[in-house]
Amino acid sequence: EDQVTQSPEALRLQEGESSSLNCSYTVSGLRGLFWYRQDPGKGPEFLFTLYSAGEEKEKERLKATLTKKESFLHITAPKPEDSATYLCAVRSGGSYIPTFGRGTSLIVHP
Amino acid sequence: EAQVTQNPRYLITVTGKKLTVTCSQNMNHEYMSWYRQDPGLGLRQIYYSMNVEVTDKGDVPEGYKVSRKEKRNFPLILESPSPNQTSLYFCASSPHVVRTGPYNEQFFGPGTRLTVL
Repeated sequence: EDQVTQSPEALRLQEGESSSLNCSYTVSGLRGLFWYRQDPGKGPEFLFTLYSAGEEKEKERLKATLTKKESFLHITAPKPEDSATYLCAVRSGGSYIPTFGRGTSLIVHP
Repeated sequence: EAQVTQNPRYLITVTGKKLTVTCSQNMNHEYMSWYRQDPGLGLRQIYYSMNVEVTDKGDVPEGYKVSRKEKRNFPLILESPSPNQTSLYFCASSPHVVRTGPYNEQFFGPGTRLTVL
């Protein structure tokens, strides 16, 4: 059974204080690891897909990295508008059903 | 604008009264799915559809039905809602999915908040 664990559950940062969110996973044959951002009361918004260990992707202040056991979402010099819940999901080989983590709630104070 | 739409956005109903939540996408995606999101449990997939007339169960299908008669629409049906189906529901779509290949990201609708009394 695929498993995804995100940590921490909640994170409070001051504006400009860089940090990282963790997504640990156990899957049988990774076919994709996905990061989404979810604002309160809204649907998740796609950020990144990572397919193989060593892969990295960047978008503005966000950078996602992947190893064989975990992924990190690095947030550099965050701004209050980066406040959201960040979700990690995986898809394993032969499965059409993704497994989502419970998310990390990020609050960035001005 | 490429999007996934859901209706209604908010719904309060009573136990046993059949309801349908509609979902439509304008991106010509083959794959569509329904999720429910509950505090402390995260997103869980209810049903998914690989294409027209092809649907399959997700992790939590009990008490739900779906149909895929057209590529763009994927309604979620609760024939006899119960209070434990009170939740936030999301519809999502994705481009063509190949079992042996990499998977694509999903595009989510705005959500439907359902309360069953």
